[in-house]
Amino acid sequence: GQSLEQPSEVTAVEGAIVQINCTYQTSGFYGLSWYQQHDGGAPTFLSYNALDGLEETGRFSSFLSRSDSYGYLLLQELQMKDSASYFCALTGTALIFGKGTTLSVSS
Amino acid sequence: DSGVTQTPKHLITATGQRVTLRCSPRSGDLSVYWYQQSLDQGLQFLIQYYNGEERAKGNILERFSAQQFPDLHSELNLSSLELGDSALYFCASAPGGGQGANEQYFGPGTRLTVT
Repeated sequence: GQSLEQPSEVTAVEGAIVQINCTYQTSGFYGLSWYQQHDGGAPTFLSYNALDGLEETGRFSSFLSRSDSYGYLLLQELQMKDSASYFCALTGTALIFGKGTTLSVSS
Repeated sequence: DSGVTQTPKHLITATGQRVTLRCSPRSGDLSVYWYQQSLDQGLQFLIQYYNGEERAKGNILERFSAQQFPDLHSELNLSSLELGDSALYFCASAPGGGQGANEQYFGPGTRLTVT
């Protein structure tokens, strides 16, 4: 089967940098996606890695290493509005999500 | 606003009942995905339709079924409801239907409460 592991909670202060790790097990996938979800809201797409390496999108970057079955989402210059849940997801026929990491940003 | 609409927003019903959730994808998107989000199971893929045809199945119970209509809107039917079916149900759409639909657009969800 497919499974993903990510920390359940992360806390940080405004302006800081935080990294959310994701390890996975799968027999095959196209890439690793990251989604953000504010409390009770719709998940929204953040980033996607089809290949190994770093993808940068503004304050957010995502990394994938297929050989290590590992990826991470890096959030820089944290803002209060970044407080949300972040999900890594294996991309295949559909998205297989991890359980999510709740990020709390304080002032 | 993702452009995906879902109705109703909230639904409260009793055990044993049947409900229908409706989803309209973004204009031009041919694929619709249904997901269930509960506190203990997280966000789980249920089923995908592409241009009216079932394309992939995930952890969908036999009591649940879905279809996609010629106008591309989709309905998720949940029957013989149990307390454990209480969850947020999301649909998402994407332009294509093949593998690797990494960027999906999620609707606001339907919160189902079974009492």
